[in-house]
Amino acid sequence: DGGITQSPKYLFRKEGQNVTLSCEQNLNHDAMYWYRQDPGQGLRLIYYSQIVNDFQKGDIAEGYSVSREKKESFPLTVTSAQKNPTAFYLCASSMSSGSYQPQHFGDGTRLSIL
Amino acid sequence: KNEVEQSPQNLTAQEGEFITINCSYSVGISALHWLQQHPGGGIVSLFMLSSGKKKHGRLIATINIQEKHSSLHITASHPRDSAVYICAVFPTLNTDKLIFGTGTRLQVFP
Repeated sequence: DGGITQSPKYLFRKEGQNVTLSCEQNLNHDAMYWYRQDPGQGLRLIYYSQIVNDFQKGDIAEGYSVSREKKESFPLTVTSAQKNPTAFYLCASSMSSGSYQPQHFGDGTRLSIL
Repeated sequence: KNEVEQSPQNLTAQEGEFITINCSYSVGISALHWLQQHPGGGIVSLFMLSSGKKKHGRLIATINIQEKHSSLHITASHPRDSAVYICAVFPTLNTDKLIFGTGTRLQVFP
């Protein structure tokens, strides 16, 4: 079945540590997105990528980094510069960005601070 | 004020009841997305619509572009419908980015 796989489901970070969240899709989608979800707030866009080797900052990119070396993969690194990383992170993809294509979501990764 | 507002924030119902969740937005949009977030956190796309009405099983979504309002209806609700329902819009001026509402938490009791 085609879909989006996020791993791990739960992740713990120590102070000063970088952690990387994995997102893989086999939908042959061009566009991929990373969102952060906090209680009582709507999803907020961290980074998005429209094609391989290209990505753009979203609304809350500070303290995060991404890469898009392969079409199917869009890993997110939460760096030590992100002072409040505890949140639920969701990856999504769509056939292309723009032209209001529906987005397909993974099951998320819950990141907590030790 | 959020650009996408949902009401109610929380909703409880008895099995079999008709459910309505509302979404109002303040920006011009190209389309609107209704999403369902399961208790485990995964999100499923329910509908994407830019005009009129769509139906899938017991779910019905309507949109009124002039009034900047959409509704999601669930007929004959069931406990398995318990989830968070999220409204998101594609703004006309930037179709790359969805703007999300904060969600409506629905609990359906047997």
